[in-house]
Amino acid sequence: QVQLVQSGAEVKKPGSAVKVSCKASANTFSIYVFNWVRQAPGQGLQWMGGIIPIFDKKNYAPKFQDRVTITADTSTYTASMELRSLTSEDTAVYFCARAGFDYDSGAFSYYGMDVWGQGTTVTVSS
Amino acid sequence: DIQMTQSPSTLSASVGDRVTITCRASQTISSWLAWFQQKPGKAPNLLIYKASSLESGVPSRFSGSGSGTEFALTISSLQPDDFATYYCQQYNTYPWTFGQGTKVEIK
Repeated sequence: QVQLVQSGAEVKKPGSAVKVSCKASANTFSIYVFNWVRQAPGQGLQWMGGIIPIFDKKNYAPKFQDRVTITADTSTYTASMELRSLTSEDTAVYFCARAGFDYDSGAFSYYGMDVWGQGTTVTVSS
Repeated sequence: DIQMTQSPSTLSASVGDRVTITCRASQTISSWLAWFQQKPGKAPNLLIYKASSLESGVPSRFSGSGSGTEFALTISSLQPDDFATYYCQQYNTYPWTFGQGTKVEIK
């Protein structure tokens, strides 16, 4: 069964950074986009960014562009998301989610986010 | 960014009801739209991709329709397990964006 296993809950101070990891099955890592989606308490879903490991192609939401970095380690089949300059508004559950893609004639097309990690709770508090 | 607007925000229905949730995009997204179901404390679950394609393992009472800017998710006969929050999401253009969600409650 395909799984994405995320790192554990974090408590951080305002102004600090957090790094959340997402480990995938070896035989699926290179053929998917790995996305990060967050959900603040009682709120909706917010896409933060994604990475295609085999191309090292990254896309970020403008809202997070200046303080988020998404990486992928193809040797350990792990995608990671680092968010810096944390404030209380970053308190949320952070999910990783994979999506399939096609690449043809220089253009990417995507499939739905079909497998999700269990979520990592990040609490920012002084 | 492409804005996704769902309606209604909350829907009260009974087991066996046919329910429809609509999603409107602020600009055309072709058919690059997904629908998710989320239950409290859980990760979202993909129901529909490419506007109308049913994800493997999802019951056939779920269906999606639409293209361009107007989309709908229909549950043909609401079951007890279907009371949850539903989100649409466009993946035509970065940044990918979600609707605000529709909570389906027991009437």
